[in-house]
Amino acid sequence: KNEVEQSPQNLTAQEGEFITINCSYSVGISALHWLQQHPGGGIVSLFMLSSGKKKHGRLIATINIQEKHSSLHITASHPRDSAVYICAFGSGTNAGKSTFGDGTTLTVKP
Amino acid sequence: KAGVTQTPRYLIKTRGQQVTLSCSPISGHRSVSWYQQTPGQGLQFLFEYFSETQRNKGNFPGRFSGRQFSNSRSEMNVSTLELGDSALYLCASSLAVYRGTDTQYFGPGTRLTVL
Repeated sequence: KNEVEQSPQNLTAQEGEFITINCSYSVGISALHWLQQHPGGGIVSLFMLSSGKKKHGRLIATINIQEKHSSLHITASHPRDSAVYICAFGSGTNAGKSTFGDGTTLTVKP
Repeated sequence: KAGVTQTPRYLIKTRGQQVTLSCSPISGHRSVSWYQQTPGQGLQFLFEYFSETQRNKGNFPGRFSGRQFSNSRSEMNVSTLELGDSALYLCASSLAVYRGTDTQYFGPGTRLTVL
């Protein structure tokens, strides 16, 4: 589990605030994933990154492979963004064995 | 296209029993991975199957096993259930052998409670 560290563990924001969630890892990886999990369990893949930056709507993900660090940003946060955000990457033989961060629980208040 | 489906969605068993969970991947997807999620340990990788072959395995005891059928549907089995096996079991599918560089699509999970 210490191959990956996510911060903060919990985050409470007011609607409209800019959110940043961080993920640091200690192994070489080919790509990093950001996942979103809503109450009830369903997981959705938000981004897969191998370099640079990706944007989808109000969500932006960045990665610095050399520094082994990735961030997930949410602009103009909304209560429907309340969820657990998890970073993950493939490791092991053929990178088919996923390693997950502990997740960041985000609560956005109206 | 239908998403990944898992059955049953909820299951209650007692210690010592065994359980079989089922996962049907998205049509055309040939890789199925299984994960266990608990409040204490978070998400942990169980195993991955591709073309009926187990390609990767996580650090779980031999009580946890799985298989994949020729239609890519997969089952996982837990024998001699322990209280600590209570968890959400998720499966995810991807088009080809999962190498960490493609998107996995997750099912809704099976919530197993062991009493």
